[in-house]
Formats: sequence, structure tokens, C-alpha cells
Amino acid sequence: EVQLVESGGGLVQPGGSLRLPCVASGFTFSSYAMSWVRQAPGKGLEWVSVISGSGGSTYYADSVKGRFTISRDNSKNTLYLQMNSLRAEDTAVYYCARTVTNEGYRWFDPWGQGTLVTVSS
Amino acid sequence: EIVMTQSPATLSVSPGERATLSCRASQSVNYNLAWYQQKLGQAPRLLVYDTSTRATGIPARFSGSGSGTEFTLTISSLQSEDFAVYYCQQYNNWPQTFGQGTKLEIK
Repeated sequence: EVQLVESGGGLVQPGGSLRLPCVASGFTFSSYAMSWVRQAPGKGLEWVSVISGSGGSTYYADSVKGRFTISRDNSKNTLYLQMNSLRAEDTAVYYCARTVTNEGYRWFDPWGQGTLVTVSS
Repeated sequence: EIVMTQSPATLSVSPGERATLSCRASQSVNYNLAWYQQKLGQAPRLLVYDTSTRATGIPARFSGSGSGTEFTLTISSLQSEDFAVYYCQQYNNWPQTFGQGTKLEIK
């Protein structure tokens, strides 16, 4: 069974940092691109970042570019999101999701259960 | 960035009836569209990709159609477990973008 488990969320002050890991199992992790998608409380879905299977290519939404860094350790089947200079508007549930690629990054399947990040003083 | 607009925001339908959800793109996304279902407190689940291909394990009562800028997700004969929020997502242009969601509620 394919499974994605995020952790690392919590309460952080504005300007602070947090690192979110996502542990994958049930599939060949290095063969798939992986993404982070977030959902602010009561709001819709926003794609945040994607990384290729090898880790050699990364892309970011403009809203997080320069502040967030996506990475992966294929030996540990783990995806990461390093979040720096956090702002109140970064408050959201953060989901990791396996990303289907075919001449580009396409849909997300499956998703982890999510981890809540709250940025507040 | 392509803006995805879903309508209606809330749809009230009785169990056993048909539900039709709409998604409009601000410019053509060809057939590069997916639909997700999200139940309260849960992660989104992929229902349909490439406009009309059901994901693994998705019942046949879910069907997608459309092309270009107009898309539809139809759920025939609604079951109790189908009441949820539904999102469309385009992946034709960078970055991928989602609609704001349609909440399907019991009438």
C-alpha cells in the first residue's frame, strides 16, 4: 500500500523556521516526483513546490520562492520542506503528494494526511 | 497563471440523484484537468485525470467530461459517502492551479 506520512508541523513565530519531513512507503520513491501542496484553514488548495525523482530539479510557487526549500533523501524515502522567514499567511495544512509526470508535472496521487503549520506570535 | 473557477460554490442534492459540478479555466487547458474529492478532516483524493479517466478504485458513478475551458464532473446516483468538497486542477500550464472548490451537501 502506498503511504505518505508528514510530520513536523506546529506553532512557530513570524520570521521563524520549520522543517517538514514526509516519509514514503509502498512504492519506489526515487522513481517519482514529489510535491508539497498547502491548504489554509477553510480555504482551497495551493501548490507550493515540486522536486524531481532524482532531486535534480526543483520548482516553487512565487509565494514561497526564496523562503522555502524542497529536498529529498532517496536512501531514506523521505521528502522535506524547509520553511524559513515564515509569515502569518503561511499558516496552513501542508500535504505531501506523489506527483505524476508525463512531459511535465501533472496530477497528485496519493496525498499524505497533512501536517498543520501555524504562524503566530 | 490560469485561474480555475468552479460553480456552484455549494450544491445541495438528495441521495440517489445526479450531481453536476462545473469547472472553467481562464484559458484553454486542453484535456489536462483532474478532479479531487476532499472529505472533512481528510486529505484530497484523486478521482479523475486527463479530464475523463477515473483513478484506480474510483466507482463508475463518477465521470468527467469537457475540453479547453469548460469541464464537468458528474456523479450519478449520489451515495452518502459522496458528500464532500470537490476541486478541479489544471496541469496544462505552469504552475498547476486549483479551483476554489464546490461543496456537495445533502438536500
